[in-house]
Amino acid sequence: DSGVTQTPKHLITATGQRVTLRCSPRSGDLSVYWYQQSLDQGLQFLIQYYNGEERAKGNILERFSAQQFPDLHSELNLSSLELGDSALYFCASSEGGTLPDEQFFGPGTRLTVL
Amino acid sequence: AQTVTQSQPEMSVQEAETVTLSCTYDTSESNYYLFWYKQPPSRQMILVIRQEAYKQQNATENRFSVNFQKAAKSFSLKISDSQLGDTAMYFCAFGLGAQKLVFGQGTRLTINP
Repeated sequence: DSGVTQTPKHLITATGQRVTLRCSPRSGDLSVYWYQQSLDQGLQFLIQYYNGEERAKGNILERFSAQQFPDLHSELNLSSLELGDSALYFCASSEGGTLPDEQFFGPGTRLTVL
Repeated sequence: AQTVTQSQPEMSVQEAETVTLSCTYDTSESNYYLFWYKQPPSRQMILVIRQEAYKQQNATENRFSVNFQKAAKSFSLKISDSQLGDTAMYFCAFGLGAQKLVFGQGTRLTINP
């Protein structure tokens, strides 16, 4: 158990819909990362937050947005869903300061868009 | 931009054998970190081993060891005395510290009884 929690575990929805994925980082971790893993592919970085502020953006679609709240949990919002958005979405957290700043991964949310 | 390449999409060995997974990367940075992650069928991402680029000594964790060749930008993972539980996808990843990880496409490793 990494200490990072993600809800829900599975999500099945239809094209055009909007969903919210939730992540609670490990206690004390200030940094949260979101990654997308399409079928049998490597993980692609989406976005990073540090202590409530956006720190870095990857190839995140405009239909996707995220935020980190004062209690440090984070939400990833996916809207106008398309079939190609079906993937495993991982959240990872790290202290955000001390190097090498190991990232701890949550169990992922599997999104299926029908 | 950094890139990570894993040239072996799939590998298969017998239990108790030794297997080496390859990884090459490209970067212009001098201080960075390299990781091997294991993803079993449960899909959980599990850190196997980590290497700091400034350290010349290769990292070792029990049956797992790396061969880090900085000049060649190569970072291979050796699994000794392989076990059935080692069956998983293995991802090589590059990090600069407190920033995103860049992952390779993965190697699917199967350990046969």
